[in-house]
Amino acid sequence: AQSVTQLDSHVSVSEGTPVLLRCNYSSSYSPSLFWYVQHPNKGLQLLLKYTSAATLVKGINGFEAEFKKSETSFHLTKPSAHMSDAAEYFCVVSESGTGNQFYFGTGTSLTVIP
Amino acid sequence: DAGVIQSPRHEVTEMGQEVTLRCKPISGHDYLFWYRQTMMRGLELLIYFNNNVPIDDSGMPEDRFSAKMPNASFSTLKIQPSEPRDSAVYFCASRRTGRYEQYFGPGTRLTVT
Repeated sequence: AQSVTQLDSHVSVSEGTPVLLRCNYSSSYSPSLFWYVQHPNKGLQLLLKYTSAATLVKGINGFEAEFKKSETSFHLTKPSAHMSDAAEYFCVVSESGTGNQFYFGTGTSLTVIP
Repeated sequence: DAGVIQSPRHEVTEMGQEVTLRCKPISGHDYLFWYRQTMMRGLELLIYFNNNVPIDDSGMPEDRFSAKMPNASFSTLKIQPSEPRDSAVYFCASRRTGRYEQYFGPGTRLTVT
């Protein structure tokens, strides 16, 4: 069975400091993993994806995530937070080979303090 | 390229009324998904289509909900009759065969009073 745990429901950082949003997954198969961002009253935007290629994945807006199979983790990082990064972030796992059944984490709300 | 298009963006209706939500997937995408987002339950998959054919509707809450995809560029989600507990944001998403990422529309915020 697939599942995702986002370890923090809220994260608050100061502008210009690093961002770390944590995600652990459970998967019976080789997973595909994604991070999506949702700004207020907007749809979900794909930040980055892991689909069994390089374990360090670079996404848009300076975000990165590293797939660590031994730790079943896929944490999202950014070296320097910007005010525009304030949003809700969702970690998603999907069984590799299908891409149809997405399992969403409960989301992490990121606040950026000026 | 245009993204996934949904209409209306906001819908307010009274209990018992019929509601129809619309979605246009990204051109060339052969999978279409309908999701519902609520504070209590997060994001839930309602139904998805492949090549206009419904593949899995196990997430549809009850018979009041129905979805159709008459052609590759249009899908509807209908609720009849609507109830206050249907209030949520409904998202449509699409993807292409061979690619695992889904692209989401802006959503329709439904309020049933």
